[in-house]
Amino acid sequence: DIQMTQSPASLSASLGETISIECRASEDIYSNLAWYQQKSGKSPQLLIYAANRLQDGVPSRFSGSGSGTQYSLKISGMQPEDEGDYFCLQGSKFPLTFGSGTKLEIK
Amino acid sequence: EVQLVESGGGLVQPGRSLKLSCAASGFTFSNYGMHWIRQAPTKGLEWVASISPSGGSTYYRDSVKGRFTISRDNAKSTLYLQMDSLRSEDTATYYCATLDAWGQGASVTVSS
Repeated sequence: DIQMTQSPASLSASLGETISIECRASEDIYSNLAWYQQKSGKSPQLLIYAANRLQDGVPSRFSGSGSGTQYSLKISGMQPEDEGDYFCLQGSKFPLTFGSGTKLEIK
Repeated sequence: EVQLVESGGGLVQPGRSLKLSCAASGFTFSNYGMHWIRQAPTKGLEWVASISPSGGSTYYRDSVKGRFTISRDNAKSTLYLQMDSLRSEDTATYYCATLDAWGQGASVTVSS
């Protein structure tokens, strides 16, 4: 199985701050990576797919990058509504595997 | 607008069965692979099973193989998850997803 190691586990950011979340795969996943945001009590929402493609309707302050085994999600200018949990998902090979999640809070 | 609406969750005793349904609308259901993903209370996301657009191929995580069955009815735009021999560790919110879009989830509690 492909292991997805996500970091950090938690993050506290000030309004307007730029933050990054990382996911490292145990093998090459050929950019088959998505990022999701999950707010408390809600279902996950897709932010980024194919490592760097912004989902329709997602603010442009969100961006994704990476290749091979290393991927990152960047939020350029933290907003109050960005608080929540963030997960990466590799879709390269079954079983699909998620990162362990990052809890993002406003400082 | 894409909508995925799960139903069929509830409280069930260990060893018993439950069947989840997911009604899809707003997109051509028969063109999409579909997935069940679960989330135990206060835990992360865990992929459970997937099915190809035609239903001809299915995939399961090891811990549910032989106990869970994913299926679909493309004429009804509905996805199913038959869960047999349920265990306490199957307690979770179960989401139906295209991976682009997710349902609101169905809560499954396995307890005596």
